[in-house]
Amino acid sequence: GAVVSQHPSRVICKSGTSVKIECRSLDFQATTMFWYRQFPKKSLMLMATSNEGSKATYEQGVEKDKFLINHASLTLSTLTVTSAHPEDSSFYICSARIPLGTEAFFGQGTRLTVV
Amino acid sequence: KQEVTQIPAALSVPEGENLVLNCSFTDSAIYNLQWFRQDPGKGLTSLLLIQSSQREQTSGRLNASLDKSSGRSTLYIAASQPGDSATYLCAVCKTDSWGKLQFGAGTQVVVTP
Repeated sequence: GAVVSQHPSRVICKSGTSVKIECRSLDFQATTMFWYRQFPKKSLMLMATSNEGSKATYEQGVEKDKFLINHASLTLSTLTVTSAHPEDSSFYICSARIPLGTEAFFGQGTRLTVV
Repeated sequence: KQEVTQIPAALSVPEGENLVLNCSFTDSAIYNLQWFRQDPGKGLTSLLLIQSSQREQTSGRLNASLDKSSGRSTLYIAASQPGDSATYLCAVCKTDSWGKLQFGAGTQVVVTP
């Protein structure tokens, strides 16, 4: 299957700082990527759809100014958590699908801890 | 609004028993359904993908069925092993939001030696 790489896998940051998470499609071009968030013992919730060359589409209730998404190339999408607070601590995971494909491929996820 | 439910939330079986995990969804207008495995603190591993036109998919000891009209999917794992211990998630892709997945909360499975 297709490979999606997410970096970093784990990050600890101080409250008030910003953190950038990268999601790369390694062996295919992904015009669309998706960012999810998972709370402890909860399901994954879609945060936003990242579109190459255009603005991301955010799900209802997700603050676009806090969670900045940039999809500058066909193989890279980034999620920046701005002015992070402890309540932003969570597991963030990205996915991508092959153009014209039907299966979603996921990155390894990023565990963010804000102290 | 699509809702995805997984029952049971947790399951513990002795090694060798077959596992049956259930997933239900409220909106039958789906493009496909995927089953994933998630180990603690890790990402998702795709297990099986069933297109809406299919009734089942098989991979080794895994078999997943799909009944779109009743909004149900079942994942069977034959002859369970301790290495099967993980959380299993099902997710549906709606026909009008290709690529976006809606997940159930998962079933946490423990297979005891």
